[in-house]
Amino acid sequence: SQTIHQWPATLVQPVGSPLSLECTVEGTSNPNLYWYRQAAGRGLQLLFYSVGIGQISSEVPQNLSASRPQDRQFILSSKKLLLSDSGFYLCAWEPTGTQAFFGQGTRLTVV
Amino acid sequence: SQQGEEDPQALSIQEGENATMNCSYKTSINNLQWYRQNSGRGLVHLILIRSNEREKHSGRLRVTLDTSKKSSSLLITASRAADTASYFCATDAGTYKYIFGTGTRLKVLA
Repeated sequence: SQTIHQWPATLVQPVGSPLSLECTVEGTSNPNLYWYRQAAGRGLQLLFYSVGIGQISSEVPQNLSASRPQDRQFILSSKKLLLSDSGFYLCAWEPTGTQAFFGQGTRLTVV
Repeated sequence: SQQGEEDPQALSIQEGENATMNCSYKTSINNLQWYRQNSGRGLVHLILIRSNEREKHSGRLRVTLDTSKKSSSLLITASRAADTASYFCATDAGTYKYIFGTGTRLKVLA
């Protein structure tokens, strides 16, 4: 069966520090992969999606970037965090045309 | 920008009552999905309804879709305290992207 791993669960980082959040999927190949951000009490904002290795589509201009170095690995990064980057980050994968499966999320607090 | 908007933003009901949440979207879709999120956790898929379907059932869940009005509703019958969560609709416009609404926070009082 397929599983998705996202870590860490919580992260507190100072302003100006770098960020790397990792997401991996097991049990499937060539999944569509997504990064979402959720502000407190709000809906999900699509940040990036990827349909294949090295293929990244960005939905909103921001202080973040994403990479897909391997088929089942999706990384969210920042060179210098801003206070406004705080939020709940969710990774998801999808077998094309069906439901999305979400990781448990990373709560990032930038201080 | 958000594709879907849920209504109401928050809903509080007594256990045993039915809960109805609505979702409106802006563009044509291939399918619409409903997800549930417990506080501070990832989202869990509840049900998918395709654009050529008008109604779908899954256990205590009933979803309707009106493509002419670009709207969907989620009905939870005989609610339980464990149904307390946020509920989101998500639309797939066929471009590999799921666009989520702002969510309805449901609280079921025991």
